[in-house]
Amino acid sequence: GAVVSQHPSWVICKSGTSVKIECRSLDFQATTMFWYRQFPKQSLMLMATSNEGSKATYEQGVEKDKFLINHASLTLSTLTVTSAHPEDSSFYICSARAVLSEQYFGPGTRLTVT
Amino acid sequence: AQTVTQSQPEMSVQEAETVTLSCTYDTSESDYYLFWYKQPPSRQMILVIRQEAYKQQNATENRFSVNFQKAAKSFSLKISDSQLGDAAMYFCAYRSRRSEKLVFGKGTKLTVNP
Repeated sequence: GAVVSQHPSWVICKSGTSVKIECRSLDFQATTMFWYRQFPKQSLMLMATSNEGSKATYEQGVEKDKFLINHASLTLSTLTVTSAHPEDSSFYICSARAVLSEQYFGPGTRLTVT
Repeated sequence: AQTVTQSQPEMSVQEAETVTLSCTYDTSESDYYLFWYKQPPSRQMILVIRQEAYKQQNATENRFSVNFQKAAKSFSLKISDSQLGDAAMYFCAYRSRRSEKLVFGKGTKLTVNP
């Protein structure tokens, strides 16, 4: 149990375009979902926390207009990177938790902006 | 603010031997959780072990055990009978009972030599 999926696993996009990443909890209802960014050989950096039906809470230094997060249902959250630039290239990981549970992580999405 | 420190960027161990990964943390709270996560080359974050701060007994999961020293704010991970599949990045993490957020250390890269 407690499986979290992400789609796509790898995406390449051109500079200036937007790209959407989906995060789904497959076998539980996620009251809270988290989005992380991970640079090569570094730790996970929390970008934002989202609760179903409400606006995401962004960490300091994360541009909310650039990284749009939608948590439309208890099983789906999306991260849209708007007007992507090469510096946005990174590994993006989502996690999800139900009430009184720990976070379960998705397999991550590698974004390459050319 | 809480911080998690992993002072060993890299460690290596011979197959079948035992290795200990170090983690220290800083918090002013008394009720919290500590975790060790494994991130293999696939980059899927896997929860290895969880410790509740109010429990004095050290958590164990098969070949994985922790040495939790609350007063010293130390939380080391011992891997016994190391296997090739244990090779990965290991992240120590902290979560306050009052918060949903995980605070990660910078990670330790473990190499297992055959």
